[in-house]
Parts: sequence; C-alpha cells; structure tokens
Amino acid sequence: DADVTQTPRNRITKTGKRIMLECSQTKGHDRMYWYRQDPGLGLRLIYYSFDVKDINKGEISDGYSVSRQAQAKFSLSLESAIPNQTALYFCATSDFRTGRAFFGQGTRLTVV
Amino acid sequence: GNSVTQMEGPVTLSEEAFLTINCTYTATGYPSLFWYVQYPGEGLQLLLKATKADDKGSNKGFEATYRKETTSFHLEKGSVQVSDSAVYFCALSDPQETSGSRLTFGEGTQLTVNP
Repeated sequence: DADVTQTPRNRITKTGKRIMLECSQTKGHDRMYWYRQDPGLGLRLIYYSFDVKDINKGEISDGYSVSRQAQAKFSLSLESAIPNQTALYFCATSDFRTGRAFFGQGTRLTVV
Repeated sequence: GNSVTQMEGPVTLSEEAFLTINCTYTATGYPSLFWYVQYPGEGLQLLLKATKADDKGSNKGFEATYRKETTSFHLEKGSVQVSDSAVYFCALSDPQETSGSRLTFGEGTQLTVNP
C-alpha cells in the first residue's frame, strides 16, 4: 500500500460545484501539505499543516480550504470550483527530522 | 521571497549520453536543496539532497553539488538510460524551517531518453 493515498485520482466537475479531495497517510508524520501542479509552473503550495490544530495558508490559498481531521488525514476543498482550478493536485507529508517529503500519486481535477 | 529556476525543457538525449539540468536559486537564508523526480503517472520522489554548501548529493548515478557562491545545484548523470525518462524538479527548503519542509519548486524539466 502507498504511504500517501489520494482520492479520487481523477475528477471532472462543473463550474460552481463544491468538491473535496482527500489525503491519508501511514507515515506517522505530523506535517502535511497540498500542492498544485500546472504545466511549466512547477508545484505551488496551497495549504500546509504542522499538526492537527495547525493550518497555514501557502502561496495560492484563495479559492481553497482545508481540514485536518486527524494526524493521518488532510482534505482539500474547492467551495465553488472554477475552470482555472483545473490542475494536478498533490498531497505530501514530511519528516521534520530530515526534511524529506513523501508525495501521493496526485489527483487530476478538471473543472468544465 | 524564495525562488528556484530550472533550465527550460524538454530535454531529449540518446541512451548513454551525459546529462546536465541546471538549477539556480534565490533564498534569504541557508536552505537545503533537493532534486525530486516524477515518473509518468506517479507522484514526486526524492532523488537526492544537500543540506549545506559544498555538499554533494548522489543517488542512482545522479549527482548535484551545493554551490553557495553561484547559488546553484545542477543535476548531472554521466550515462543516462531510457528508464531515466521523467520530469525532474529542483527544490529548496524554507530557510526558516530547519527541517527543510515547505519546499519551493522549480518549473520542472522533462527528460526523454531514446534508445
């Protein structure tokens, strides 16, 4: 089983719909992240959480919200999806001792 | 703010060719530097890292040296294989985070190796 699991892997949704992307991990890490990948733009940080009670905005948090339900679970929501949120989304965890990050396989989201 | 700039891709090489992917960075502190690799349909995996100036990270035949004087962390491999075809990302840590979390990524470089 993967250490970091994202669901769904692919999703097509309509403009204005609410959608949630889920992430769960078995690494036992406190630190979790949501990134967005667009062609030619690398990965950009949306939100991050250093423990269950800690939520922080990244560089592109507008239009997104998150919930840290437990140490192992970190979900990303789009309250009202718009087409420019079409992208590949990655959840990641990191080991605070080494800085090494572990990524899920990604969720490809298309907003039509 | 922090930033990472990678050479533009895509890069296409023949098997056994020498590979260099350039990476330069801007940071206010003393970051850790990373190379991550993304194989088709997968998430990113750590390829190698260096935590201080003049450190050399290496893994699977790939190497990169942390050059503080030129703010660079170029990725090299002496002889690429078809299985190296992937997207490569240079990244740096947030200098305010001693653990190296909160990575800032470059744009990614698509490498294709032909037999």
